[in-house]
Amino acid sequence: QLQLVESGGGVVNSGGSLRLSCAASGFFFNDFFMTWIRQAPGKGLEWLSYIGGTGSTISYAESVRGRFTISRDNAKDSLYLQMTSLTAEDTAVYYCARRIRGGRYFDLWGQGTLVTVSS
Amino acid sequence: QSVLTQPPSVSGTPGQRIFISCTGTSSNIGGGYHVHWYQQLPGTAPKLLIFDNDNRPSGVPDRFSGSKSGTSASLAITGLQSEDEADYYCQSFDTSLTATVFGGGTKLTVL
Repeated sequence: QLQLVESGGGVVNSGGSLRLSCAASGFFFNDFFMTWIRQAPGKGLEWLSYIGGTGSTISYAESVRGRFTISRDNAKDSLYLQMTSLTAEDTAVYYCARRIRGGRYFDLWGQGTLVTVSS
Repeated sequence: QSVLTQPPSVSGTPGQRIFISCTGTSSNIGGGYHVHWYQQLPGTAPKLLIFDNDNRPSGVPDRFSGSKSGTSASLAITGLQSEDEADYYCQSFDTSLTATVFGGGTKLTVL
């Protein structure tokens, strides 16, 4: 079954850290770039980071560069986002999404996991 | 402030045709980068609606169509239905930011 399932969200204190996971199934995970996108409460979508199929190609949005680290474990069909130095502005639903091969759009999304940073 | 500009809201009555605009710059839409559209129903994850300006994924009704011209793109919905009530987002790539960018989203209300 083609799906992405995020986990690891929760409440964390300002300045704290959290690691999100995204479990993929139903497709050959290694073949796809994967992405993290977030949505603050009542706000729009914000692209955060992507990682290539082998993990050697990585890019970050300016807002999270130096604080967030994307990684993947192809043996486990899993994507990760390590988040540090969290602030209230990082409170959001975090989605993992699959980037279509040869394109820059996202054809498969997870259900999202909520991260709340408490000040 | 989003890189791509969308109207915050649009509304229409059942059966009507509506348009949602997405305006960018020469660094993104005007630079030849494709525009993609997503539909987000209340409480759910976004769903791909249109890709590469004017293509529909399998399963998306042909009531939905996209177009692009210059530094702008547009999503059209014909035969508006109550289940189309959702938030709609455009997305492209910005070469100046070297980043994927989204519009701020448009809330469609079916009256």
